[in-house]
Amino acid sequence: AQSVTQLGSHVSVSEGALVLLRCNYSSSVPPYLFWYVQYPNQGLQLLLKYTTGATLVKGINGFEAEFKKSETSFHLTKPSAHMSDAAEYFCAVKINTNAGKSTFGDGTTLTVKP
Amino acid sequence: EAQVTQNPRYLITVTGKKLTVTCSQNMNHEYMSWYRQDPGLGLRQIYYSMNVEVTDKGDVPEGYKVSRKEKRNFPLILESPSPNQTSLYFCASSYRGAVETQYFGPGTRLLVL
Repeated sequence: AQSVTQLGSHVSVSEGALVLLRCNYSSSVPPYLFWYVQYPNQGLQLLLKYTTGATLVKGINGFEAEFKKSETSFHLTKPSAHMSDAAEYFCAVKINTNAGKSTFGDGTTLTVKP
Repeated sequence: EAQVTQNPRYLITVTGKKLTVTCSQNMNHEYMSWYRQDPGLGLRQIYYSMNVEVTDKGDVPEGYKVSRKEKRNFPLILESPSPNQTSLYFCASSYRGAVETQYFGPGTRLLVL
């Protein structure tokens, strides 16, 4: 079984400030973890993913995330927010023993203030 | 251009009138999924398919049917839609394996009156 919890359904930051979106997962086997972004009126697109190896993963648009097994976390960060980062962000988990099943968090809406 | 297409993009219907939402991908992906997105509930997987003629239930399959007769197509069927199926629906596809990225369609907004 697998599950994802995103802490904070809404996060607001000022332009230039640090972005931190939180994701915790639960999995009975080693997980694969994903962050997707959804811009208004669009489908989802991949920001970054963790599979194996290096636990700090870099993605598009300056985002990165760190897989911390001991904390069962995969938090998304960006050092300096840009207005164009305003979107909804989803954390997702998949596992090898059921590769077709995908579990998403409830999403976090990021607002960037000028 | 590599893409996942869905039709229709918007649909208003009445309770009980059967409808089909089509999904097609041109990337030769083996895996395909349907999700519904509701405010505060994120994306919930309805059904997924890991190959032609291989489908399985996701977290919220009640009231939906799917079929996978061809690799590129994965239609979602609502035999008797009800108002609680009003939602935003996304189709997604990926290569085989849990590590693979899913590619999402643009979404279908459904209103059941």
